[in-house]
Amino acid sequence: AQSVTQLDSHVSVSEGTPVLLRCNYSSSYSPSLFWYVQHPNKGLQLLLKYTSAATLVKGINGFEAEFKKSETSFHLTKPSAHMSDAAEYFCVVSDRGRNAGNMLTFGGGTRLMVKP
Amino acid sequence: GAGVSQSPSNKVTEKGKDVELRCDPISGHTALYWYRQSLGQGLEFLIYFQGNSAPDKSGLPSDRFSAERTGGSVSTLTIQRTQQEDSAVYLCASSPDYGGLRAYEQYFGPGTRLTVT
Repeated sequence: AQSVTQLDSHVSVSEGTPVLLRCNYSSSYSPSLFWYVQHPNKGLQLLLKYTSAATLVKGINGFEAEFKKSETSFHLTKPSAHMSDAAEYFCVVSDRGRNAGNMLTFGGGTRLMVKP
Repeated sequence: GAGVSQSPSNKVTEKGKDVELRCDPISGHTALYWYRQSLGQGLEFLIYFQGNSAPDKSGLPSDRFSAERTGGSVSTLTIQRTQQEDSAVYLCASSPDYGGLRAYEQYFGPGTRLTVT
């Protein structure tokens, strides 16, 4: 079985300061990991994905995440927050090597607030 | 269209009525997924389709929920005898392929917000 834990339900940062959204996962197989973002009243948008290539993954809007197998973590970071980054962020896992249709399992979400 | 579309965008229905939610995936995408996003439950997987077949229906909350996909394209999620706990945003996603060793990102539609009064 696969599961995802986002350690913080809310994160508040000041504009221009670094962002860290924490995610730990559990998977029985070789996982694929994703970060999705959801702006208010908008659909889910893929930020980045890890699929066993480079462990440091760069995504859109300056976000990146590092896959650490020993720590079963996939934390999302950005060097400098922008007001437009305020949204809900979901860490997502999908088991590969299973005939499971790439079913996604979502973490509980982290709401990022950016203060001016 | 360029992305996944869903209709209606909002649906208000009375308890006990049936509702149908529609999803148009990205053209050529063979896999289609339904999820539900509700307060207190987060985002949960409901069902997925490989072409027109649904190998895994384990995520459907009850036998009042059913889904079909025809022609490898449009999918309909039907909820019979709706209950207030069915109120949620129902999200549809599609991807170019499914399963195996390659991971395909899923592209999400804007969702249908269902309110059962």
